[in-house]
Amino acid sequence: DAMVIQNPRYQVTQFGKPVTLSCSQTLNHNVMYWYQQKSSQAPKLLFHYYDKDFNNEADTPDNFQSRRPNTSFCFLDIRSPGLGDAAMYLCATSHADLSSSPLHFGNGTRLTVT
Amino acid sequence: GQNIDQPTEMTATEGAIVQINCTYQTSGFNGLFWYQQHAGEAPTFLSYNVLDGLEEKGRFSSFLSRSKGYSYLLLKELQMKDSASYLCAPMDSNYQLIWGAGTKLIIKP
Repeated sequence: DAMVIQNPRYQVTQFGKPVTLSCSQTLNHNVMYWYQQKSSQAPKLLFHYYDKDFNNEADTPDNFQSRRPNTSFCFLDIRSPGLGDAAMYLCATSHADLSSSPLHFGNGTRLTVT
Repeated sequence: GQNIDQPTEMTATEGAIVQINCTYQTSGFNGLFWYQQHAGEAPTFLSYNVLDGLEEKGRFSSFLSRSKGYSYLLLKELQMKDSASYLCAPMDSNYQLIWGAGTKLIIKP
């Protein structure tokens, strides 16, 4: 089945220790997104890629970076995680040429910072 | 600015009907999505409205009034598994989704 896969499902890192979250998709969608979601809050868009074109949201901290080496893969790097970065990180894809195309989410990676 | 307003929490009884309202203000409009999100899981797509009126999909229906900046999600024949958060997300003129914090729906037996 075509899908969006995030690894790992749960990630524990230490304060200040770099961490990378990964996302892959078999849907062949041209847009990929990274969201951060904290408990009982709206998902917050960090980055999105239209093909290889990178779009950084204005309020995304510099501590967060992203890479999309090819259509199928996308990575989220947190250079120096702080306690406030503990959250669920959601990867999603969509077909940009269809405004009605819904976002397809991966299962998310729950990040804990100790 | 862009804004979404949904009730924080609602409670309903198994087998009943519940309506979750959403009002929005966006810069432009390219449709509105509803997503379901179970605790600790990712959102899953429920419905999309771009024209005024009601879209029905089994037990779930979604309504849109563009002139009023208003949508609702109607859930019929509620089941315990419908306990989840329901997120309203209109799409603005840049085709970006503007997310609400969601309505937590609690179903009681």
